Amino acid sequence: DSGVTQTPKHLITATGQRVTLRCSPRSGDLSVYWYQQSLDQGLQFLIQYYNGEERAKGNILERFSAQQFPDLHSELNLSSLELGDSALYFCASSAPLGGAEDTQYFGPGTRLTVL
Amino acid sequence: AQKITQTQPGMFVQEKEAVTLDCTYDTSDQSYGLFWYKQPSSGEMIFLIYQGSYDEQNATEGRYSLNFQKARKSANLVISASQLGDSAMYFCAMREPQYSSASKIIFGSGTRLSIRP
Repeated sequence: DSGVTQTPKHLITATGQRVTLRCSPRSGDLSVYWYQQSLDQGLQFLIQYYNGEERAKGNILERFSAQQFPDLHSELNLSSLELGDSALYFCASSAPLGGAEDTQYFGPGTRLTVL
Repeated sequence: AQKITQTQPGMFVQEKEAVTLDCTYDTSDQSYGLFWYKQPSSGEMIFLIYQGSYDEQNATEGRYSLNFQKARKSANLVISASQLGDSAMYFCAMREPQYSSASKIIFGSGTRLSIRP
């Protein structure tokens, strides 16, 4: 158990809908990262938040948004869902800075299926 | 642009043998971190081992060791005495810059390791 929690574990929805994925980082970690893992794209970095602020951005679609709240949990919002958004979405967290503490620990993931 | 290459899509190894999973990387940055993660069929991503670009010694964690050859830009994972439970997908990843609150990890395409009894 990495200490990172994600809810829900599975999500099935229809095209055009909007969903929210939730992540709670490990105790003490300030950074939260979101990744998408699909069969054709592999593991793709989406976005990073550090202590409530956006710090790095990857291949995140405009239909997707995220935020990190004062209690450090984070939410990833996916809207106008398309079939191609079906994937495993991971959240990871890490301690602030430096050395091995930069290691990102992953949550169990949320499997999103868009029908 | 940074890039991680894993050239072995799949490998079969006999139980108790050692196995080396290849990883090469490309970066123009001097400060970076290299990671290996394991993803079993259940789907979770499990951190295995970390190597910093300035670390002079190869990292080791139990049966896992990282063969870091900086000049060749390679960071191969060595698993000694493989076990059936080692069957999984293995990802090499890189983070740059290494010491920053704003950095991302990029992943290789992975190697699927299967251990034969």
